[in-house]
Amino acid sequence: EDKVVQSPLSLVVHEGDTVTLNCSYEVTNFRSLLWYKQEKKAPTFLFMLTSSGIEKKSGRLSSILDKKELFSILNITATQTGDSAIYLCAVLNNAGNMLTFGGGTRLMVKP
Amino acid sequence: GAGVSQTPSNKVTEKGKYVELRCDPISGHTALYWYRQSLGQGPEFLIYFQGTGAADDSGLPNDRFFAVRPEGSVSTLKIQRTERGDSAVYLCASSRGQGAYNEQFFGPGTRLTVL
Repeated sequence: EDKVVQSPLSLVVHEGDTVTLNCSYEVTNFRSLLWYKQEKKAPTFLFMLTSSGIEKKSGRLSSILDKKELFSILNITATQTGDSAIYLCAVLNNAGNMLTFGGGTRLMVKP
Repeated sequence: GAGVSQTPSNKVTEKGKYVELRCDPISGHTALYWYRQSLGQGPEFLIYFQGTGAADDSGLPNDRFFAVRPEGSVSTLKIQRTERGDSAVYLCASSRGQGAYNEQFFGPGTRLTVL
């Protein structure tokens, strides 16, 4: 059975701190790994990673995939209160039709 | 439309009742997905449509759950004889097509509470 595990489960930091969120996976037919941010209900897309070692960057957020060790990290630098959310990692299967999600990391950024 | 929309946003029902949850995908998106998210967990895949047909329904938990997409656009998730364990947020997503490069856009979800 495909499995995606995220750590830590929750994290509390202060504005300006840097955080690293972890995602490890065991899947039979891996195609891509995706990161989403979920503030209220709808997860919003952050990154899609398909190749190892290539960092994707968007502002203060960056992510990288290691397909040999089967994990990905999401970094957020200079955190702001608006970064408070649940961050979800998901793996897309080879057919491209199913996302398997991890349990998420709940990040709280205090002023 | 601008994004995926779902109605109702909240639904409270009693155990044993029948409910229907609606999803309007982004215009032109051929692929549509239903997920269920229980409190404190990540979303779990339920069913995937490509056009009008359910291409993969392996995530539906039992035969009380059924989904349709008769015209290849709007989809309805139907739950019969609801149980308290069905309480969750039901998320719908759509994408231009299937495949690794077609991002899934999520709707705001329907929060279902079964009393």
